[in-house]
Amino acid sequence: QVQLVESGGGLVKPGGSLRLSCAASGFTFSDYSMNWIRQAPGKGLEWLSYIDGDGSTMYYADSVRGRFTISRDHATNSLFLQMNSLRTEDTAVYYCAREWTYYAYFDFWGQGTLVTVSS
Amino acid sequence: QSVLTQPPSASVTPGQRVTISCSGSTSNIGNNYVYWYQQLPGTAPKLLIYRNNQRPSGVPDRISASKSGTSASLAISGLRSEDEADYYCAAWDESLSGVVFGGGTKLTVL
Repeated sequence: QVQLVESGGGLVKPGGSLRLSCAASGFTFSDYSMNWIRQAPGKGLEWLSYIDGDGSTMYYADSVRGRFTISRDHATNSLFLQMNSLRTEDTAVYYCAREWTYYAYFDFWGQGTLVTVSS
Repeated sequence: QSVLTQPPSASVTPGQRVTISCSGSTSNIGNNYVYWYQQLPGTAPKLLIYRNNQRPSGVPDRISASKSGTSASLAISGLRSEDEADYYCAAWDESLSGVVFGGGTKLTVL
């Protein structure tokens, strides 16, 4: 069965960096585009970034462009989000989501990992 | 402010029907598919509707959705307590080259 398991969240100081991982299993990872989506405490969903199946095309939300980098490793079936220059407003639960055939068609989601940016 | 506009809340009694609206523009809803996600308390979002009005397997037929122009709506009939959740619409936005979500609608079943 399809599984997406995020890890790497934690407490980091403003200006710091963190790398999130999403371990994928139960499907052919390279066949699917993947996305990162976050949810600040008590707030709605915010899409952050997209990467296509072969890792050649990426998109970013304006709020993270230039600070966050999405990548993937087919050898380990993993998706990553490198987060630099973190701000307090980046505090959120970060979800990875598998995309099926069309943009915004997120058919499977991970359980999320919490990132807290605080001094 | 979210690019897609949803009412922040809705309250209905069990057995009743509710409609949740989602308003956008030609760059998102107008020219792209709309998706709906349900987020139960403390859990990850789950796909509820894809390609404007299609239900994934396992989603009951008392849940339906439609799209017209730059707006979309989600309807749930025969409401039950287990339908209490946050509901989000989403679409690709061509101008932003990204996915946009509505702000979410918190559904309360009184």
